[in-house]
Amino acid sequence: GQQLNQSPQSMFIQEGEDVSMNCTSSSIFNTWLWYKQDPGEGPVLLIALYKAGELTSNGRLTAQFGITRKDSFLNISASIPSDVGIYFCAGQRRGGSEKLVFGKGTKLTVNP
Amino acid sequence: NAGVTQTPKFRVLKTGQSMTLLCAQDMNHEYMYWYRQDPGMGLRLIHYSVGEGTTAKGEVPDGYNVSRLKKQNFLLGLESAAPSQTSVYFCASSYSNKRGRDTEAFFGQGTRLTVV
Repeated sequence: GQQLNQSPQSMFIQEGEDVSMNCTSSSIFNTWLWYKQDPGEGPVLLIALYKAGELTSNGRLTAQFGITRKDSFLNISASIPSDVGIYFCAGQRRGGSEKLVFGKGTKLTVNP
Repeated sequence: NAGVTQTPKFRVLKTGQSMTLLCAQDMNHEYMYWYRQDPGMGLRLIHYSVGEGTTAKGEVPDGYNVSRLKKQNFLLGLESAAPSQTSVYFCASSYSNKRGRDTEAFFGQGTRLTVV
């Protein structure tokens, strides 16, 4: 099946630092999504990207849809303790019935 | 607006027992999905449905069955539970907007299942 390679698997950072994570694929995707999962909860959407080259921000979060359509990255600036969680990328090839493919997640730990 | 609701939230089964996990969404979404989440494995798709009365296999369908008799409900069944099915199960729903783009998937809070 389709694979998304998400890196890094885990990150340990100090409060105030910036964070960067990315996803790559051997296949082209038409949609890239970034989710965050808090402990004991379901994933919640952070940012949705629909166009190659698109750069979208949501507060301290910025995500980009790679120009080749095979990658995406997520940046978090000035991290705070509540940024702790697992971040997932997800890709979708086209609209309609195409299912989402998820990366394996990046576990973020922020030390105060 | 409840969104996506999963029941039960926790369950312990003995090997060989059967059970059904219920997912209900009140957003009139066409598409519904069942994922399992295991440490280090991310979210893996078990089965999904693109509309009432239709289901399809995902990445890891073995040992599970599903039904979508009503648009708002998506049931996941385990006929004979095995310890390998110990996991956290997530249901999600989504729809296509007028431009034909899929919207993001909305997730339930998960069902933690332990098979002993």
